Amino acid sequence: GNSVTQMEGPVTLSEEAFLTINCTYTATGYPSLFWYVQYPGEGLQLLLKATKADDKGSNKGFEATYRKETTSFHLEKGSVQVSDSAVYFCALSVANAGGTSYGKLTFGQGTILTVHP
Amino acid sequence: KAGVTQTPRYLIKTRGQQVTLSCSPISGHRSVSWYQQTPGQGLQFLFEYFSETQRNKGNFPGRFSGRQFSNSRSEMNVSTLELGDSALYLCASSLTGQGFYDEQYFGPGTRLTVT
Repeated sequence: GNSVTQMEGPVTLSEEAFLTINCTYTATGYPSLFWYVQYPGEGLQLLLKATKADDKGSNKGFEATYRKETTSFHLEKGSVQVSDSAVYFCALSVANAGGTSYGKLTFGQGTILTVHP
Repeated sequence: KAGVTQTPRYLIKTRGQQVTLSCSPISGHRSVSWYQQTPGQGLQFLFEYFSETQRNKGNFPGRFSGRQFSNSRSEMNVSTLELGDSALYLCASSLTGQGFYDEQYFGPGTRLTVT
C-alpha cells in the first residue's frame, strides 16, 4: 500500500535557523507529493507540491525536491520565522495505471514546528 | 473567491446519537473529500464524492456515510456515535479529485466531541 513517514517531532528552532523536516514515502503507481501546513485552529493549507521525479516545489521560502531514487521529499527553509510555527504534513496522491485514487491524500503523522524569537 | 466552508465548527454529542456535518466546496469544484484527524491516528481518508457519486472510500465502518448534492455541497453522517469518533473532521474540495493533476483545498474543520 501507500504510506508516508515523517521525522519525529516536535522540532524547536530559533528564529533565522535552518529547517529540515524529513519525509519518505512508499507508493504503488505514480505519486504526486505535497507539503501541507496547519496553523492552530485552522484547516490545512497547501504549501508546495511536486508531480514528478526531480521536480522542486517552492513557496514562501520553503523548498522540497522529489527524489525518486531515495523516495524522499524533504522540506527545507533557509531562515525560519516565528510565524512559521505550525504543524507540517507530508502527503502523497497516487495516479495508478488505469485510473486514479480519487480524492485521496495519504498523510504522514505531522511534525510540530515551534520557532522562538 | 470564497473558500471551503464547514458547519458547524463545533459539536458535542452523546454516545449512541448520530450527527450530520456539512461542507460547501469552492465554487466550481465538483470533488469533495472527507478526512478524520485524531492525535492517535493522524489524518485518515473517509470518502470522496464527485457529481453526487461516491468514487472512493477509506477503511471506516459503515456507521460513517456521506452524500453529495447537485450543487456539490456534501454532508457526512456518523450514526451510533462512539467515544472514539471524537475528532476534527476536515472537508476538502478540488476541481476533479484527481490529485495528480489538481490540488485539494481544505476547510477549517468541524470539531466533534462525543461524551
